Amino acid sequence: GQQLNQSPQSMFIQEGEDVSMNCTSSSIFNTWLWYKQEPGEGPVLLIALYKAGELTSNGRLTAQFGITRKDSFLNISASIPSDVGIYFCAGQLRAGNQFYFGTGTSLTVIP
Amino acid sequence: NAGVTQTPKFRVLKTGQSMTLLCAQDMNHEYMYWYRQDPGMGLRLIHYSVGEGTTAKGEVPDGYNVSRLKKQNFLLGLESAAPSQTSVYFCASRAQGALSVSNQPQHFGDGTRLSIL
Repeated sequence: GQQLNQSPQSMFIQEGEDVSMNCTSSSIFNTWLWYKQEPGEGPVLLIALYKAGELTSNGRLTAQFGITRKDSFLNISASIPSDVGIYFCAGQLRAGNQFYFGTGTSLTVIP
Repeated sequence: NAGVTQTPKFRVLKTGQSMTLLCAQDMNHEYMYWYRQDPGMGLRLIHYSVGEGTTAKGEVPDGYNVSRLKKQNFLLGLESAAPSQTSVYFCASRAQGALSVSNQPQHFGDGTRLSIL
């Protein structure tokens, strides 16, 4: 299967700091998604990206579809305690219906 | 708002037992998926379906079977449970995007925690 490399694996930050994480692939994807998962719950979609170079925001979250189509970035500005969770990237190849997921970035926000 | 509902939420099985996990969605989505989530490995696709009566293998299909007899339901079966199948199982669904429109994102259920002893 496809390998999505997500980094960093975990982050411990102070409340108010900005957060950056990224996801890279060896293959070209036509869709990039970013999800957040909290304990005991399923992933919840944060942002969907459909075009190379696309920059999309959702509140304090901003994600970008890399120009090469092989990477994507998620930024969280002015973090707050409720941002705690595991963030997953997911990508879909040009053809087919499968989404491939990264291994996740665990975010801890220290008040 | 129901969305994607998984039952049961928790289950403990003995090795060799069989069971079926149920996923139901009320959004009239065409596509449905079953994933397993293990520590440090993200989500891995087991099987998926692109419509009623169709199923296809994903990344890790061995030891599982699925059925999509009704559009709103996607069943995941374990015929003879093994300890390696201890995991959290997630179901997801999504709408079918038009050819000229990018694919629709997936919506997930809250998961089924399965332990095999």
